[in-house]
Amino acid sequence: EPEVTQTPSHQVTQMGQEVILRCVPISNHLYFYWYRQILGQKVEFLVSFYNNEISEKSEIFDDQFSVERPDGSNFTLKIRSTKLEDSAMYFCASSGTENEKLFFGSGTQLSVL
Amino acid sequence: QQQVKQSPQSLIVQKGGISIINCAYENTAFDYFPWYQQFPGKGPALLIAIRPDVSEKKEGRFTISFNKSAKQFSLHIMDSQPGDSATYFCAARDSGGGADGLTFGKGTHLIIQP
Repeated sequence: EPEVTQTPSHQVTQMGQEVILRCVPISNHLYFYWYRQILGQKVEFLVSFYNNEISEKSEIFDDQFSVERPDGSNFTLKIRSTKLEDSAMYFCASSGTENEKLFFGSGTQLSVL
Repeated sequence: QQQVKQSPQSLIVQKGGISIINCAYENTAFDYFPWYQQFPGKGPALLIAIRPDVSEKKEGRFTISFNKSAKQFSLHIMDSQPGDSATYFCAARDSGGGADGLTFGKGTHLIIQP
Protein backbone atom coordinates (compact mmCIF):
# COMPACT_ATOMS: atom_id res chain seq x y z
CA GLU A 1 0.00 0.00 0.00
CA PRO A 2 1.39 3.46 -0.86
CA GLU A 3 2.37 5.61 2.05
CA VAL A 4 3.52 9.08 2.96
CA THR A 5 7.04 9.08 4.35
CA GLN A 6 8.50 11.72 6.63
CA THR A 7 12.03 12.45 7.76
CA PRO A 8 13.43 12.80 10.29
CA SER A 9 11.25 11.01 12.79
CA HIS A 10 12.68 13.15 15.58
CA GLN A 11 14.29 16.58 15.43
CA VAL A 12 15.77 18.45 18.37
CA THR A 13 16.75 22.05 17.86
CA GLN A 14 17.66 25.15 19.80
CA MET A 15 15.25 28.06 19.99
CA GLY A 16 15.85 30.48 17.13
CA GLN A 17 17.30 27.88 14.79
CA GLU A 18 15.86 26.98 11.42
CA VAL A 19 14.47 23.51 10.81
CA ILE A 20 13.32 21.78 7.65
CA LEU A 21 10.92 18.88 7.86
CA ARG A 22 10.74 16.63 4.85
CA CYS A 23 7.98 14.56 3.33
CA VAL A 24 7.49 12.35 0.31
CA PRO A 25 3.78 12.30 -0.53
CA ILE A 26 2.05 9.49 -2.39
CA SER A 27 3.19 9.77 -5.98
CA ASN A 28 -0.12 10.32 -7.79
CA HIS A 29 -1.59 12.69 -5.23
CA LEU A 30 -2.12 16.34 -6.09
CA TYR A 31 -2.84 17.95 -2.73
CA PHE A 32 -0.32 18.21 0.07
CA TYR A 33 -0.75 19.30 3.65
CA TRP A 34 1.02 19.95 6.89
CA TYR A 35 -0.76 19.43 10.20
CA ARG A 36 0.60 19.52 13.70
CA GLN A 37 -0.36 17.89 16.99
CA ILE A 38 0.82 19.24 20.30
CA LEU A 39 1.16 16.42 22.81
CA GLY A 40 -2.24 15.20 23.96
CA GLN A 41 -4.16 17.71 21.87
CA LYS A 42 -6.05 17.62 18.62
CA VAL A 43 -4.60 17.64 15.15
CA GLU A 44 -4.42 21.19 13.77
CA PHE A 45 -4.28 22.30 10.16
CA LEU A 46 -1.29 24.39 9.08
CA VAL A 47 -1.27 24.64 5.30
CA SER A 48 -2.38 23.02 2.08
CA PHE A 49 -0.49 23.10 -1.21
CA TYR A 50 -1.73 22.49 -4.71
CA ASN A 51 -0.33 23.17 -8.16
CA ASN A 52 2.93 24.48 -6.69
CA GLU A 53 1.35 27.09 -4.49
CA ILE A 54 -0.31 27.46 -1.10
CA SER A 55 -4.08 27.02 -1.42
CA GLU A 56 -5.03 27.48 2.24
CA LYS A 57 -3.23 28.34 5.44
CA SER A 58 -4.30 28.69 9.05
CA GLU A 59 -3.53 31.42 11.55
CA ILE A 60 -0.79 29.19 12.95
CA PHE A 61 1.08 29.34 9.64
CA ASP A 62 2.69 32.74 10.10
CA ASP A 63 5.69 34.33 8.38
CA GLN A 64 8.07 31.97 10.21
CA PHE A 65 6.69 29.05 8.22
CA SER A 66 7.15 28.23 4.56
CA VAL A 67 6.52 25.23 2.34
CA GLU A 68 8.15 24.10 -0.83
CA ARG A 69 8.00 21.28 -3.34
CA PRO A 70 11.53 21.59 -4.64
CA ASP A 71 11.83 18.63 -6.99
CA GLY A 72 8.40 17.20 -7.81
CA SER A 73 8.59 14.48 -5.18
CA ASN A 74 9.59 16.05 -1.86
CA PHE A 75 7.41 18.44 0.11
CA THR A 76 9.08 20.43 2.85
CA LEU A 77 8.05 22.58 5.80
CA LYS A 78 10.57 25.16 6.97
CA ILE A 79 10.37 26.95 10.27
CA ARG A 80 12.72 29.90 10.02
CA SER A 81 13.27 30.75 13.68
CA THR A 82 11.88 28.13 16.01
CA LYS A 83 10.10 28.99 19.24
CA LEU A 84 9.47 26.82 22.28
CA GLU A 85 5.80 26.63 21.37
CA ASP A 86 6.64 25.10 17.99
CA SER A 87 7.39 21.84 19.80
CA ALA A 88 4.89 19.35 18.42
CA MET A 89 4.44 16.37 16.16
CA TYR A 90 4.26 17.57 12.58
CA PHE A 91 2.34 15.45 10.11
CA CYS A 92 2.54 15.62 6.36
CA ALA A 93 -0.45 14.36 4.40
CA SER A 94 -1.47 14.01 0.79
CA SER A 95 -4.67 13.33 -1.11
CA GLY A 96 -6.02 13.00 -4.61
CA THR A 97 -9.03 15.19 -3.83
CA GLU A 98 -8.94 18.44 -1.85
CA ASN A 99 -9.35 17.81 1.88
CA GLU A 100 -10.69 14.32 1.28
CA LYS A 101 -9.19 10.88 1.97
CA LEU A 102 -6.01 12.29 3.43
CA PHE A 103 -3.14 9.89 3.95
CA PHE A 104 -0.90 10.93 6.83
CA GLY A 105 2.74 10.17 7.40
CA SER A 106 4.05 8.93 10.75
CA GLY A 107 5.16 12.42 11.70
CA THR A 108 8.25 14.30 12.81
CA GLN A 109 8.48 14.96 16.52
CA LEU A 110 10.02 18.44 16.82
CA SER A 111 11.46 19.45 20.17
CA VAL A 112 12.59 23.05 20.57
CA LEU A 113 14.88 23.61 23.56
CA GLN B 1 -18.32 27.97 14.20
CA GLN B 2 -15.45 25.86 12.88
CA GLN B 3 -15.27 23.63 15.95
CA VAL B 4 -16.07 19.95 16.06
CA LYS B 5 -16.90 18.84 19.60
CA GLN B 6 -16.06 15.24 20.39
CA SER B 7 -17.02 13.09 23.36
CA PRO B 8 -16.14 11.23 25.44
CA GLN B 9 -12.51 12.12 25.97
CA SER B 10 -11.78 8.54 27.00
CA LEU B 11 -13.73 5.31 26.83
CA ILE B 12 -13.24 1.81 28.20
CA VAL B 13 -15.20 -1.04 26.61
CA GLN B 14 -15.13 -4.75 27.20
CA LYS B 15 -14.05 -7.02 24.38
CA GLY B 16 -17.03 -7.83 22.20
CA GLY B 17 -18.94 -4.73 23.25
CA ILE B 18 -20.00 -1.71 21.21
CA SER B 19 -17.87 1.42 21.33
CA ILE B 20 -19.68 4.68 20.59
CA ILE B 21 -17.99 8.04 20.03
CA ASN B 22 -19.96 11.18 19.34
CA CYS B 23 -19.25 14.43 17.53
CA ALA B 24 -21.25 17.61 17.08
CA TYR B 25 -20.74 20.64 14.87
CA GLU B 26 -22.25 24.05 14.15
CA ASN B 27 -21.04 24.89 10.66
CA THR B 28 -23.73 23.90 8.15
CA ALA B 29 -21.18 24.25 5.34
CA PHE B 30 -19.40 21.09 6.47
CA ASP B 31 -19.90 18.53 3.71
CA TYR B 32 -17.57 15.63 4.48
CA PHE B 33 -17.09 13.87 7.82
CA PRO B 34 -14.20 11.41 8.21
CA TRP B 35 -13.10 9.41 11.22
CA TYR B 36 -9.43 8.80 11.80
CA GLN B 37 -7.75 6.16 13.96
CA GLN B 38 -4.36 6.89 15.49
CA PHE B 39 -2.02 4.46 17.22
CA PRO B 40 0.80 5.76 19.44
CA GLY B 41 3.72 7.07 17.41
CA LYS B 42 1.79 6.92 14.14
CA GLY B 43 -0.10 9.38 12.02
CA PRO B 44 -3.89 9.39 11.81
CA ALA B 45 -5.29 6.79 9.40
CA LEU B 46 -8.61 7.21 7.64
CA LEU B 47 -11.12 4.72 9.00
CA ILE B 48 -14.43 5.64 7.42
CA ALA B 49 -16.14 8.78 6.12
CA ILE B 50 -19.64 9.99 5.34
CA ARG B 51 -21.32 12.78 3.42
CA PRO B 52 -24.46 14.52 4.75
CA ASP B 53 -26.74 13.09 2.07
CA VAL B 54 -26.84 9.71 3.83
CA SER B 55 -27.75 8.87 7.43
CA GLU B 56 -25.56 5.83 7.89
CA LYS B 57 -22.50 4.19 6.41
CA LYS B 58 -21.13 0.82 7.39
CA GLU B 59 -17.75 -0.73 6.66
CA GLY B 60 -17.15 -4.00 8.41
CA ARG B 61 -17.44 -3.48 12.16
CA PHE B 62 -17.38 0.32 11.82
CA THR B 63 -20.54 2.37 11.29
CA ILE B 64 -21.06 6.13 11.06
CA SER B 65 -24.49 7.42 12.02
CA PHE B 66 -25.25 10.93 10.80
CA ASN B 67 -28.05 13.22 11.99
CA LYS B 68 -28.08 16.28 9.76
CA SER B 69 -30.87 18.12 11.62
CA ALA B 70 -29.11 17.69 14.96
CA LYS B 71 -25.70 18.36 13.42
CA GLN B 72 -24.29 15.28 15.07
CA PHE B 73 -22.49 12.20 13.89
CA SER B 74 -21.14 9.20 15.68
CA LEU B 75 -18.83 6.25 15.21
CA HIS B 76 -19.95 2.82 16.34
CA ILE B 77 -17.46 -0.02 16.62
CA MET B 78 -19.24 -3.36 16.85
CA ASP B 79 -17.67 -6.41 18.49
CA SER B 80 -14.83 -4.23 19.80
CA GLN B 81 -11.43 -5.93 19.92
CA PRO B 82 -8.24 -5.15 21.87
CA GLY B 83 -6.61 -4.22 18.56
CA ASP B 84 -9.14 -1.38 18.26
CA SER B 85 -7.52 0.33 21.25
CA ALA B 86 -6.37 3.66 19.83
CA THR B 87 -7.25 7.35 19.71
CA TYR B 88 -10.13 8.20 17.41
CA PHE B 89 -10.66 11.61 15.85
CA CYS B 90 -13.71 12.87 14.06
CA ALA B 91 -13.19 15.60 11.51
CA ALA B 92 -15.11 17.77 9.08
CA ARG B 93 -14.46 19.64 5.87
CA ASP B 94 -15.92 23.04 5.02
CA SER B 95 -17.32 22.96 1.49
CA GLY B 96 -16.77 26.68 1.23
CA GLY B 97 -13.04 26.28 1.64
CA GLY B 98 -11.60 28.83 3.97
CA ALA B 99 -8.44 28.49 5.93
CA ASP B 100 -9.06 25.46 8.05
CA GLY B 101 -8.40 22.33 5.96
CA LEU B 102 -9.95 19.49 7.92
CA THR B 103 -11.21 20.51 11.36
CA PHE B 104 -10.53 17.77 13.89
CA GLY B 105 -12.20 16.97 17.18
CA LYS B 106 -10.06 16.64 20.28
CA GLY B 107 -9.97 12.86 20.11
CA THR B 108 -11.23 9.91 22.12
CA HIS B 109 -8.81 7.53 23.76
CA LEU B 110 -10.44 4.10 23.44
CA ILE B 111 -9.33 1.12 25.49
CA ILE B 112 -10.79 -2.32 24.81
CA GLN B 113 -10.33 -4.59 27.78
CA PRO B 114 -9.78 -8.30 27.06
